[in-house]
Amino acid sequence: ELKVEQNPLFLSMQEGKNYTIYCNYSTTSDRLYWYRQDPGKSLESLFVLLSNGAVKQEGRLMASLDTKARLSTLHITAAVHDLSATYFCAVDFSGSARQLTFGSGTQLTVLP
Amino acid sequence: GAVVSQHPSWVICKSGTSVKIECRSLDFQATTMFWYRQFPKQSLMLMATSNEGSKATYEQGVEKDKFLINHASLTLSTLTVTSAHPEDSSFYICSARGDRGRGYEQYFGPGTRLTVT
Repeated sequence: ELKVEQNPLFLSMQEGKNYTIYCNYSTTSDRLYWYRQDPGKSLESLFVLLSNGAVKQEGRLMASLDTKARLSTLHITAAVHDLSATYFCAVDFSGSARQLTFGSGTQLTVLP
Repeated sequence: GAVVSQHPSWVICKSGTSVKIECRSLDFQATTMFWYRQFPKQSLMLMATSNEGSKATYEQGVEKDKFLINHASLTLSTLTVTSAHPEDSSFYICSARGDRGRGYEQYFGPGTRLTVT
């Protein structure tokens, strides 16, 4: 079964603090995506990770991929209120349709 | 590049009526588009894969006679919710898959919020 598990599901953190969101998946994949969703909005693409050891950074967010461990992390550095949103990881479990299987999402609230 | 639009952005309809949602890739051609449904506070659930010029592939548990998908061109897919009921109220999001040159990445539309009264 193709499964993508995210944790934590809910995260409340103080501004200025660091934290990590984890994304585990069940079987081999060669690409993983991170998205942000604001309330009432669609998905905004954050990162595309295509190989083992891939690391990408944009502002206060950094994503990494370990294909051997089937694990991706989204690290938040010195959080600010504007980062409050729901974050999803999604995995492309290699196939011709290139379908995505989404994690449950992590609802992040950054408190002042 | 890689912009996907959806129309309408929101719609309210009465129970028993049908609603059509359009998904367009504005600056690229997409042989494959996907339709997702998202309930409040939940993740995206893939409903079906829409392929240009052929029948859509529906996920298990999704009624193909209720959710009609037509992918008439390389830039347009439509989802028609037939005989809508209140339980069909949801946020519907489409995506268009880029070709090999775009790494097969999916580009998401802004979503359509359907409310059935």
